[in-house]
Amino acid sequence: AQSVTQLDSQVPVFEEAPVELRCNYSSSVSVYLFWYVQYPNQGLQLLLKYLSGSTLVESINGFEAEFNKSQTSFHLRKPSVHISDTAEYFCAVSEREAGGFKTIFGAGTRLFVKA
Amino acid sequence: DTGVSQNPRHKITKRGQNVTFRCDPISEHNRLYWYRQTLGQGPEFLTYFQNEAQLEKSRLLSDRFSAERPKGSFSTLEIQRTEQGDSAMYLCATDTQYFGPGTRLTVL
Repeated sequence: AQSVTQLDSQVPVFEEAPVELRCNYSSSVSVYLFWYVQYPNQGLQLLLKYLSGSTLVESINGFEAEFNKSQTSFHLRKPSVHISDTAEYFCAVSEREAGGFKTIFGAGTRLFVKA
Repeated sequence: DTGVSQNPRHKITKRGQNVTFRCDPISEHNRLYWYRQTLGQGPEFLTYFQNEAQLEKSRLLSDRFSAERPKGSFSTLEIQRTEQGDSAMYLCATDTQYFGPGTRLTVL
């Protein structure tokens, strides 16, 4: 069975500082990995994904995540955060099952960027 | 805007009433998922459709819950005899990656 652990429930950080949101997963098969962002009172938006190929994936707004198979991790990083990055971030893992893919989400990390 | 729409966006109901939510997915996406998200938690998988076939149901989906996807297009999620514990955001997604805005259910 797969599981996703987001090690930090809240991460406060000052504007323009770097940030890392940690995600570890457990799975016995090949997986696809995702990070989603949820702004207050809004739905989930896909931030970035790892399906195959390069282990470093990037989003259009400066976030990046690296798939580390040996450590079963997919940590999300940004070198300099903005106030507008304040949101809830969810790590998710999909593995193929009969008929399609099943996705499991972590509990989320609330990023709070302070001025 | 992901192209996935959900209606209604908010629903307030009294305990014991039935409610139905609708999800209109991106037309060319065959897989449709329903999730439930409670405050402070990540989305929890409820059920999944491949076209019109319901392929998997979570044990979270009690017999009061039923989902359909006639003709493999839009999908509905019905909750019968609602309980206060059903209060949550109900999310629809296609191909795992495209989420609708959700329907927030409040059971009084």
